Amino acid sequence: SAVISQKPSRDICQRGTSLTIQCQVDSQVTMMFWYRQQPGQSLTLIATANQGSEATYESGFVIDKFPISRPNLTFSTLTVSNMSPEDSSIYLCSVVTVLSYEQYFGPGTRLTVT
Amino acid sequence: TQLLEQSPQFLSIQEGENLTVYCNSSSVFSSLQWYRQEPGEGPVLLVTVVTGGEVKKLKRLTFQFGDARKDSSLHITAAQPGDTGLYLCAGGYGKLTFGQGTILTVHP
Repeated sequence: SAVISQKPSRDICQRGTSLTIQCQVDSQVTMMFWYRQQPGQSLTLIATANQGSEATYESGFVIDKFPISRPNLTFSTLTVSNMSPEDSSIYLCSVVTVLSYEQYFGPGTRLTVT
Repeated sequence: TQLLEQSPQFLSIQEGENLTVYCNSSSVFSSLQWYRQEPGEGPVLLVTVVTGGEVKKLKRLTFQFGDARKDSSLHITAAQPGDTGLYLCAGGYGKLTFGQGTILTVHP
C-alpha cells in the first residue's frame, strides 16, 4: 500500500488568485495522477504527473490553468491558476504502487473559490 | 471513450439487509477497483479485480468481476450503519474511469 499526504487539506481563495497543492507519498510509486471531484460528483482525471517532464493532460484540462510538477518519484504539485468559483472542488492526488494494479488516493484538498 | 454505468445511484436500507451495487460498461477493462469514500476524505481502496470471473471477499463484502471484464458487482451481506458511505467503481489502470457512485445509507 501507499500512504499519501496532501497540503493544504482545505483552503478558501479569492477569484483570480492561484493555489498550489502538494502531494507526498511515503514510498516510490510508478505513476502519479491528479483528479478533481466537483460537489456531488464522481472523480475526473485532470492529468498524469510525469517525473522530470511535462504532465499529460486529459481533454478539457490545460497546462496554463493546471500546471503540474513532479521533480521526483514521491512528490508532485498541482497549481490551480487564475481561480474562479467553478474551480471549487476537491483535488485528489493518486498513485499506482510498484508491481501492482492497486491505486491509492490521498485525502484530498477541498478548495472553495469566492 | 470508456464509460462505467453504476447503479443504483442511491440506496437506503435497514441494518441487517443485503444489497448489491452494479457497475456495467460496453468496454473491456484491464482491471476494476472498488472504493469507499466518506465525507471530507479521499476514496479508500476496497479491492482490485483483474481476472474475468474473479470473486473476492472482504468480510461481509463480495466483489465479482464479469467473465468478459465489462462488468462488476459489490454485494454486502447484513449491512451495518458503519457501511454508510459513497461507493465508487473505477475501471482501468492508472487513468481510471469512474462510475457515478452509489450513496449507501444504512439505518440502525
